[in-house]
Amino acid sequence: QSALTQPASVSGSPGQSITISCTGTSSDVGSYNLVSWYQQHPGKAPKLMIYEVSKRPSGVSNRFSGSKSGNTASLTISGLQAEDEADYYCCSYAGSSTHVVFGGGTKLTVL
Amino acid sequence: QVTLRESGPALVKPTQTLTLTCTFSGFSLSTSGMCVSWIRQPPGKALEWLARIDWDDDKYYSTSLKTRLTISKDTSKNQVVLTMTNMDPVDTATYYCARISYRYYFDYWGQGTLVTVSS
Repeated sequence: QSALTQPASVSGSPGQSITISCTGTSSDVGSYNLVSWYQQHPGKAPKLMIYEVSKRPSGVSNRFSGSKSGNTASLTISGLQAEDEADYYCCSYAGSSTHVVFGGGTKLTVL
Repeated sequence: QVTLRESGPALVKPTQTLTLTCTFSGFSLSTSGMCVSWIRQPPGKALEWLARIDWDDDKYYSTSLKTRLTISKDTSKNQVVLTMTNMDPVDTATYYCARISYRYYFDYWGQGTLVTVSS
């Protein structure tokens, strides 16, 4: 069982917006603005999409955005495109003992 | 351009020790603030963070696996090595190395190496 809870799957039609939640605790997501999100296509390595809750690395589309409220972080993808279909993982710093925890992953299907 | 590449055996037997090497380029682990981590992913399952080593040789391990893991670096070769003892079939996974920022995000990943544990 992963430390951070994500929905197993979400879906949306091209052009729509979807949001993936990532629920942690006051020991991880709730205490630090150090949440990151990764996109993983089948057979490929994860790719950083969002870091420090809402920052986008250079080259990542501005259709991807992140936010956080309390113990829950969220990834929103607007203007869904076929190539967005992938697995998405959230990750959070969890203090000096636990260090880093991942979510269980969410499979995004573009209908 | 930052790149990382994992190497090691594709198959290990139960109880054996796994040794994986991450060879990287585009940055140096002797530079302040640079860190490398190992993450694994069992087939069809989620990512799991394993270990991290910093430029100053500080090391951090997954709480659940710390008794089995050792991470080390060879700065002159631009390599990070992970050893995992007493391998079990449940350790079958793709093992990734990644550069980790001091702000705890993984900005560059290797392509991963699949390790199967079977007799």
